Amino acid sequence: DAGITQSPRHKVTETGTPVTLRCHQTENHRYMYWYRQDPGHGLRLIHYSYGVKDTDKGEVSDGYSVSRSKTEDFLLTLESATSSQTSVYFCAISDVPEGGELFFGEGSRLTVL
Amino acid sequence: DQQVKQNSPSLSVQEGRISILNCDYTNSMFDYFLWYKKYPAEGPTFLISISSIKDKNEDGRFTVFLNKSAKHLSLHIVPSQPGDSAVYFCAASAPGQGNLIFGKGTKLSVKP
Repeated sequence: DAGITQSPRHKVTETGTPVTLRCHQTENHRYMYWYRQDPGHGLRLIHYSYGVKDTDKGEVSDGYSVSRSKTEDFLLTLESATSSQTSVYFCAISDVPEGGELFFGEGSRLTVL
Repeated sequence: DQQVKQNSPSLSVQEGRISILNCDYTNSMFDYFLWYKKYPAEGPTFLISISSIKDKNEDGRFTVFLNKSAKHLSLHIVPSQPGDSAVYFCAASAPGQGNLIFGKGTKLSVKP
């Protein structure tokens, strides 16, 4: 299995508070992704990174920012959490460009009250 | 507009029988298709893929069929086992596209 660790795995927070989710990989893969999974929507891409300090927006990027200061870490930040951001967040990595096979982390369940 | 569609939210199959999961797509630029399997409280795991230059790919009990003219692919599981009970996601990518586009998933239940 690919070495991907997400933290925290579970978090409950209040509306308006900042939240940061961390994805750490030990595979030295170049590409990293943040997806969210919601009932009736499947997996939707939030942001992705194609290298250190190189990131781009995905399908549902509003309200989220990301940073990648080193290969192994990809951070997802909600500057001011809203209830609509209650979701399960998955980090994924790949060593193939253009959306090849992705290896997913175990997910971070975020509840915004 | 949804580019990858899994129109069946759920499917129930008897153990030992065939499971057929379907996926339709609208973007003719997609050239690589994948199926992922997801158990509750776990991340999705890669199952099988197919390139647009092929119409079939087989891996053990799992076979994916691609019909480009119909923009349709299907995953066949034969024989189905209770451990196959999971949510299955279809995904696709196009050249120059930096990520995978996923369908909404189909929940498969295999009953003993």
